[in-house]
Amino acid sequence: QVQLVQSGAEVKKPGASVKLSCRASGYTFTNYYMQWVRQAPGQGLEWMGMINPSGGGAWYTQKFQGRLILTRDTSTSTIYMELSSLRSEDTAVYYCARDGDGYNGGIAYWGQGTLVTVSS
Amino acid sequence: QSALTQPASVSGSPGQSITISCTGTSSDVGSYNFVSWYQQHPGKAPKLIIYEGTKGPLGVSNRFSGSKSGNTASLTISGLQAEDEADYYCCSYAGSSTWVFGGGTKVTVL
Repeated sequence: QVQLVQSGAEVKKPGASVKLSCRASGYTFTNYYMQWVRQAPGQGLEWMGMINPSGGGAWYTQKFQGRLILTRDTSTSTIYMELSSLRSEDTAVYYCARDGDGYNGGIAYWGQGTLVTVSS
Repeated sequence: QSALTQPASVSGSPGQSITISCTGTSSDVGSYNFVSWYQQHPGKAPKLIIYEGTKGPLGVSNRFSGSKSGNTASLTISGLQAEDEADYYCCSYAGSSTWVFGGGTKVTVL
């Protein structure tokens, strides 16, 4: 079965960077794009970016251009999300996610979420 | 890209039908048939309930249905049940391999 297992919670100071991981299993890693979605406390879902695990190409929403980098390691079926210049507004639960088979744009699989807290 | 516009809250009595709107622009909802809807209960990850605007994933109740007209997509929940009380989010393809979510709608079952 498809599983997305994320790294543990992080506490960072403003201005620092954070790098989260998401290990995939149960399917061919390079066959499906992976997305990152975040949710601030009490707020809605926010799409951040997407990576093609096969070629490594990544796309980011304009809001995070220059501050967000998505990478992958095909040898471990893991994707990474690095967000820099953190501010308090970046405090959120970060999810990695994958479309369901044939569900174009429909995210059927979610990681368990990683809480990132940005505080001085 | 701006978030898609959803009503903050919608309520209904058990057995009733409710509809949640999701308004975007000609650059997202209006241009693509890639609108998905998610249900999220407190403390849980979102759950896909509609994809490609009108299609229901395997295992999801057919009480959930989706539609689109112009720049506005809609989710209808028929035969409202207590377990439907949750937050609902729409999401649309926005071009250039990017996606955008709506602000979310809290559904209350009276």
